[in-house]
Amino acid sequence: QSALTQPASVSGSPGHSITISCTGTNNDIGGYNYVSWYQQHPGKAPKLMIYDVNNRPSGVSNRFSGSKSGNTASLTISGLQAEDEADYYCSSFTSSDTAVFGGGTKLTVL
Amino acid sequence: EAQLLESGGGLVQPGGSLRLSCAASGLTFSPYPFTWVRQAPGKGLEWVSAISGSDTTTFYADSVKGRFTISRDNTKDTLFLHMNNLRADDTAVYYCARRISTWLVSGACDVWGQGTMVTVSS
Repeated sequence: QSALTQPASVSGSPGHSITISCTGTNNDIGGYNYVSWYQQHPGKAPKLMIYDVNNRPSGVSNRFSGSKSGNTASLTISGLQAEDEADYYCSSFTSSDTAVFGGGTKLTVL
Repeated sequence: EAQLLESGGGLVQPGGSLRLSCAASGLTFSPYPFTWVRQAPGKGLEWVSAISGSDTTTFYADSVKGRFTISRDNTKDTLFLHMNNLRADDTAVYYCARRISTWLVSGACDVWGQGTMVTVSS
C-alpha cells in the first residue's frame, strides 16, 4: 500500500486560512468516507483532529474542517493561530482492510 | 483520565525479537479495536497493525506481515505487539492507539500513548 500524497510544507499568517491536500486512489480515499487527520507537535504523540472525512472529535476547535472530492481529501484550518504550527498527517481506510498515512505536511505559521 | 502506556522498547540486534505492551487505564478497553503505528526517526507515521475488540480479527502492513503479531488480553486491558526477525528499518517509536468507535477495525484513533522506542542495531 503506497502512502497518500501530501505537500511537504504549507504556511500561512495568523488569522488567515490554509488548506492541506491529501491524494490517494480509488482503493483508499476515493473508495471510502474514512479519512482522518492528525496533528503532531515535535516530540508528542499524534492527536486526532478530523475523522470520517469531516467529523471533529470532542474538544477539537471548529477552526478545523475536512472535506473530500474524488481521490483527494483536504484539511482546512481557519483563523490560524501560533499553536497550530505542527505536522499534519492524513490517513485513510483501504480496500485491504488496513490503513495508510500520508507523508505529512509541516505547517508554519508566519 | 484515559491513558495508554507503552512499554517493552529498547535496543535489539538484527534478527532479534521484542514484545511491546500497551496498558490501558481510565477508558473502556474490550469493545474497541486497537492499532499500532510507528514513526522512524525524523520520518512520518506508518500504520503497522490493528486488532478487533474481540481479538478475532487482525490486520498487518505488508512491511511487517509474517514477522509481527498483534494480540490483546481483555482481562488485563493490555495490547501487545510481538516482533520477530527485526530489521534496521523497524527502528522507530511505536505508538498504540484506540479506535474512536467499536466498528471498522482499521479506522481513526482518538486515544494515543506516548510511544516506546525500538532500536534495531548491532
